[in-house]
Amino acid sequence: DAKTTQPPSMDCAEGRAANLPCNHSTISGNEYVYWYRQIHSQGPQYIIHGLKNNETNEMASLIITEDRKSSTLILPHATLRDTAVYYCIVNARGSTLGRLYFGRGTQLTVWP
Amino acid sequence: GAVVSQHPSWVICKSGTSVKIECRSLDFQATTMFWYRQFPKQSLMLMATSNEGSKATYEQGVEKDKFLINHASLTLSTLTVTSAHPEDSSFYICSATSGTRSNEQFFGPGTRLTVL
Repeated sequence: DAKTTQPPSMDCAEGRAANLPCNHSTISGNEYVYWYRQIHSQGPQYIIHGLKNNETNEMASLIITEDRKSSTLILPHATLRDTAVYYCIVNARGSTLGRLYFGRGTQLTVWP
Repeated sequence: GAVVSQHPSWVICKSGTSVKIECRSLDFQATTMFWYRQFPKQSLMLMATSNEGSKATYEQGVEKDKFLINHASLTLSTLTVTSAHPEDSSFYICSATSGTRSNEQFFGPGTRLTVL
């Protein structure tokens, strides 16, 4: 079962930052927060993951609250190619063989 | 690196026939592979987990006799939909993890199955 809650849809102007929230109030101490995205009719793409510290990579930044009950994925300069469904998933590394349970995700639409 | 391919990318078959979908890790050894199903406008649903050389573990509600999974090597897993029916029409996606990069799952591009 998905243990996360995300808004069903958001939109963002091209070139602006897209901030996608996720609630995971029942997250366990050993569970990581993962973000994936799925462009229409393609397989999901890994974006970023974190445990409790903020993380940044070439694609995005992940901000996790101190109590770890929520997080925000930040795409600093959204482009039209970032239009996709974004999934926030919690998963315990090394346990349950890495099974990922996807929720409904957030449909992000970037407009020109 | 870390590319996963699926074949075929789409398939149309008649009701009652069986369809095999291949999932390959092209540049790494996949210790574990996963199979998902996605209906239109819905999220991905995990069907089963397979480890090389052992039987697959199916999620609750997934019929193991209908969805046969074989993971015969570290680079290949197959999903066979037996006696397919129109309600099996869906987007089937595989993913793979390797021992060295277990924090990521690498997904294939998906296979669109349409059963007439």
